[in-house]
Amino acid sequence: GAVVSQHPSWVICKSGTSVKIECRSLDFQATTMFWYRQFPKQSLMLMATSNEGSKATYEQGVEKDKFLINHASLTLSTLTVTSAHPEDSSFYICSAIPGTVTYEQYFGPGTRLTVT
Amino acid sequence: AQSVTQPDIHITVSEGASLELRCNYSYGATPYLFWYVQSPGQGLQLLLKYFSGDTLVQGIKGFEAEFKRSQSSFNLRKPSVHWSDAAEYFCAVDNTNAGKSTFGDGTTLTVKP
Repeated sequence: GAVVSQHPSWVICKSGTSVKIECRSLDFQATTMFWYRQFPKQSLMLMATSNEGSKATYEQGVEKDKFLINHASLTLSTLTVTSAHPEDSSFYICSAIPGTVTYEQYFGPGTRLTVT
Repeated sequence: AQSVTQPDIHITVSEGASLELRCNYSYGATPYLFWYVQSPGQGLQLLLKYFSGDTLVQGIKGFEAEFKRSQSSFNLRKPSVHWSDAAEYFCAVDNTNAGKSTFGDGTTLTVKP
């Protein structure tokens, strides 16, 4: 149980375009999902907290208008990188928290974004 | 603010040898503590967690960790390392009870044949 999927697993896009990444909890409902960014050989950097039915909470320094997060249902959160630039190339990982257990998060497999 | 320190950036051990990965945290009370493993290009897999109770925690894949309050440490151990254990290991703490964790910088484990 507690499986989180991400789609796509990798994506290449051209500079200036937008790309959407989906995060789904497959066998549980997630009231809260987190979006992380990870640079090569580095730790996870929390970008934002996504709560179902409300606006996402962004960490300091993360551009809200560039990284649009939508938590449309209890099993789906999306991250849209708008007007992507090469510096947005990174590994994006989501995690989800089951509604009844607030301190355990389950991670997706990640999405590798390359902006050319 | 809470912080997590993993002093060892890279550790190399021989297959079959024992392993200890260090983790220290900075927080006044006892937070929730986690160890995760990440294989290249993959997400994170939870190895074990500590919330309360017995300070020696057993996890998956033969790993265990010991919480030492006096040292603010939560070191990960394995008595005999397998080649498949080569990966990146992250220690994390959560004092928010809301799943919002702070991660250490990670330790890369290399296993020599």
